[in-house]
Amino acid sequence: SQQGEEDPQALSIQEGENATMNCSYKTSINNLQWYRQNSGRGLVHLILIRSNEREKHSGRLRVTLDTSKKSSSLLITASRAADTASYFCASEETSGSRLTFGEGTQLTVNP
Amino acid sequence: DAGVIQSPRHEVTEMGQEVTLRCKPISGHDYLFWYRQTMMRGLELLIYFNNNVPIDDSGMPEDRFSAKMPNASFSTLKIQPSEPRDSAVYFCASRSSSSGRAHNEQFFGPGTRLTVL
Repeated sequence: SQQGEEDPQALSIQEGENATMNCSYKTSINNLQWYRQNSGRGLVHLILIRSNEREKHSGRLRVTLDTSKKSSSLLITASRAADTASYFCASEETSGSRLTFGEGTQLTVNP
Repeated sequence: DAGVIQSPRHEVTEMGQEVTLRCKPISGHDYLFWYRQTMMRGLELLIYFNNNVPIDDSGMPEDRFSAKMPNASFSTLKIQPSEPRDSAVYFCASRSSSSGRAHNEQFFGPGTRLTVL
């Protein structure tokens, strides 16, 4: 399968709470990216972490990468109803330019 | 920039018909990717081009699918003949290699929702 794994598959939280999503991948990577997809729309890039980085921040987003475990996590702090969307991790393999996407986490933030 | 442009946004066709999906990447981007998204299989890479040349088409499901990129500003994905199991959302994405490997984000179009009856 070309798919990575993400958990949870679905997450429902209250506005203001933090949301954590996890991702595992299978191959050696150049970087790990996170994308967001609103219902019926294309994917939008959120953040990229390189294979030699362990943690990265962007606004309310915090991403970690553990290459020994081939895993990454995305933390969204102080969530808002507008954060409701599907979130996908995507690993860029060292062998080329292709991205392998995870199965996605559907996040619902209740107002 | 208008972003990645895809057409049509929705396509409903009957089994056996030819379907052509179109994509205009962001100007200056030298990579173009075609993806398919379904509930069952998630987001799958079908094929990608670099400088208009197909690099990896290992994700193309079968000979009914073909993709071309005649120039830097246009690509097509064709399905002939179409089957109900081809029903999915097809995304085109592009990116630039000029920013270096630290900035390899892909920019996605809005997708084409294909329904084959």
